[in-house]
Amino acid sequence: EPEVTQTPSHQVTQMGQEVILRCVPISNHLYFYWYRQILGQKVEFLVSFYNNEISEKSEIFDDQFSVERPDGSNFTLKIRSTKLEDSAMYFCASSVAVNTGELFFGEGSRLTVL
Amino acid sequence: EDKVVQSPLSLVVHEGDTVTLNCSYEVTNFRSLLWYKQEKKAPTFLFMLTSSGIEKKSGRLSSILDKKELSSILNITATQTGDSAIYLCAVRIQGAQKLVFGQGTRLTINP
Repeated sequence: EPEVTQTPSHQVTQMGQEVILRCVPISNHLYFYWYRQILGQKVEFLVSFYNNEISEKSEIFDDQFSVERPDGSNFTLKIRSTKLEDSAMYFCASSVAVNTGELFFGEGSRLTVL
Repeated sequence: EDKVVQSPLSLVVHEGDTVTLNCSYEVTNFRSLLWYKQEKKAPTFLFMLTSSGIEKKSGRLSSILDKKELSSILNITATQTGDSAIYLCAVRIQGAQKLVFGQGTRLTINP
């Protein structure tokens, strides 16, 4: 069964450093998303991406964050100048359609900022 | 502000019991409601509901949407220890791509 894959599964970084989280969405999916879940809190939407551009973003997704699809398969989330409060599980997801289909989530990348 | 609230937050039952999980929402322009199961890490899709009163069923799990009451329930019959997980409810708004999640219900099934 096709699945969304994410790397790394866990990353520890120092405050102020830049991190890149990587995702390989399901191959025939057209919409890609990043969500995050701070420990003990709700899953929160960060950004959606379609046709090589951001299609929707939340208030959380400020200039510190960026997304990119550098090739035909990878979808990345870059977090610049990390802060302690960026520590969370980051989930990548993809879907065939935006309004009619379910999202398929990856296993997540746990980011710990020290 | 769009809001999704789940109850109870935590539930502990014995194997074989039937459970009902609740999800209520206050959103600007409802499109659909989705249920996910989160065991270790990745939420896995269970159901998507768009029409009121139509039950969706998969094995021992079933779910129904009530648009008048702005809510949905997820039923699990004859629970098994493998049903232990966090169950997430999420709402999609018309014209938006994001899902708005509730805080989840942590279900524990004891043998």
